[in-house]
Amino acid sequence: EDQVTQSPEALRLQEGESSSLNCSYTVSGLRGLFWYRQDPGKGPEFLFTLYSAGEEKEKERLKATLTKKESFLHITAPKPEDSATYLCAVVQDYGQNFVFGPGTRLSVLP
Amino acid sequence: KAGVTQTPRYLIKTRGQQVTLSCSPISGHRSVSWYQQTPGQGLQFLFEYFSETQRNKGNFPGRFSGRQFSNSRSEMNVSTLELGDSALYLCATGMGPRNEQFFGPGTRLTVL
Repeated sequence: EDQVTQSPEALRLQEGESSSLNCSYTVSGLRGLFWYRQDPGKGPEFLFTLYSAGEEKEKERLKATLTKKESFLHITAPKPEDSATYLCAVVQDYGQNFVFGPGTRLSVLP
Repeated sequence: KAGVTQTPRYLIKTRGQQVTLSCSPISGHRSVSWYQQTPGQGLQFLFEYFSETQRNKGNFPGRFSGRQFSNSRSEMNVSTLELGDSALYLCATGMGPRNEQFFGPGTRLTVL
């Protein structure tokens, strides 16, 4: 069964303490992997698309990387405003819709 | 460029009633997907439309239905509301079914 998992489920960091979030997938024929940020009560905000192993994308303090079976979202020197739930999703070459992971809830303490 | 808009933003209904939610996509986007989000279940896929055709449907009862119009705007309908239908309903639009999806702000539905 196609599956997307994310770890850790929740992460608390001190401001400036860098870390990484993981997204693992077991789909075949990956067309793309997407990262989103979601604030409470709001719709997810698109961050990155990754298409092939070895690809990297950066935006401010965030960098997303992709391997054949997982993706990492690296957060460098986070600030309290980076606190949110981070979701990843995959889409395959054929058939189905986006498959979302359960998310990682990130809290950055001042 | 205007983002995805959803109306209404908040809705309170009672059990047994029906509700219609609307989603207007970003200009040029022809793919619209709907999701239900609850604290315990995360993002659950409802259905996806592209060029007025339903391409995929999630594992929800027939009380949940949708449609897409020629201008790509989409509506979803929930009939015979149940308490468990209380959730944030999100729509996401994209250029095509496998392109990046951009989400609207959601409609918060409360069923009493």
